Amino acid sequence: AQSVTQLGSHVSVSEGALVLLRCNYSSSVPPYLFWYVQYPNQGLQLLLKYTSAATLVKGINGFEAEFKKSETSFHLTKPSAHMSDAAEYFCAVSEETSGTYKYIFGTGTRLKVLA
Amino acid sequence: NAGVTQTPKFRVLKTGQSMTLLCAQDMNHEYMYWYRQDPGMGLRLIHYSVGEGTTAKGEVPDGYNVSRLKKQNFLLGLESAAPSQTSVYFCASSYHGLAGAVGQNEQFFGPGTRLTVL
Repeated sequence: AQSVTQLGSHVSVSEGALVLLRCNYSSSVPPYLFWYVQYPNQGLQLLLKYTSAATLVKGINGFEAEFKKSETSFHLTKPSAHMSDAAEYFCAVSEETSGTYKYIFGTGTRLKVLA
Repeated sequence: NAGVTQTPKFRVLKTGQSMTLLCAQDMNHEYMYWYRQDPGMGLRLIHYSVGEGTTAKGEVPDGYNVSRLKKQNFLLGLESAAPSQTSVYFCASSYHGLAGAVGQNEQFFGPGTRLTVL
C-alpha cells in the first residue's frame, strides 16, 4: 500500500517569504498526486494535481508543485506568502487496486504566516 | 450546482446514542467516501462506495455502518456512539471516467460534520 509523508506538521514563514511544504510518497509507479488546502472550519479544497502531463504543476492562489520521480517527492511552493495562505495543507496520492480508487493522505502541515 | 453537502454541520451525542450523517452530491459521481479527521492524523478512510448499492470498508470502519441506496446519497451511521468517535467527519466524491475529463480522479469534499460524543 502507498504512503504519504509530510515533513513538518507546522511551518511558519514571514509574509512575502517563500513557502515550501514537503511531501514524499512511496510508489514505484508514478501515481496521481494532489495538494489540498483546508481553511479553518471548512472542507478540503483542491490546490493542484499531478497527472503525468507535466512535472511542474501550477495551481490556484499562486501555488505550484514539482514532481520529482527520483526523489519520490511532490513539494508545494509559493514564491511570496500572503496572510490569507494561513491554513492546513494536505498532500495525497490516489491508489488504484483492481479497478477501485482510494486516496491516501498525509498528516497535514499547518502553515502560519507572520506579519 | 451545490457539489457535496453534509447534514448536520454540528451534533452532540451522549455515549450509546445513535445517529446518521447524510452526504449528498449532485455531480453524478460514482465514488463516495467517508473520512474522519483527527488532530495530527490527517484524514482516515472509514468506508467508501464505488457505486449505487455497493459499500466497502476503509482503514477505520469499526463502529460505523454505511448505505448507498441512491447514487447521490451516502449515509454514515453510528449505532452506539463512543467518545472515541468524537471527530470531524468529511464526505467526498470522485469521478474516474475518461482520462483528461474535467475533474477526473479528483476528490470533491463536503464542508464537514463536527461530532462530539460525551
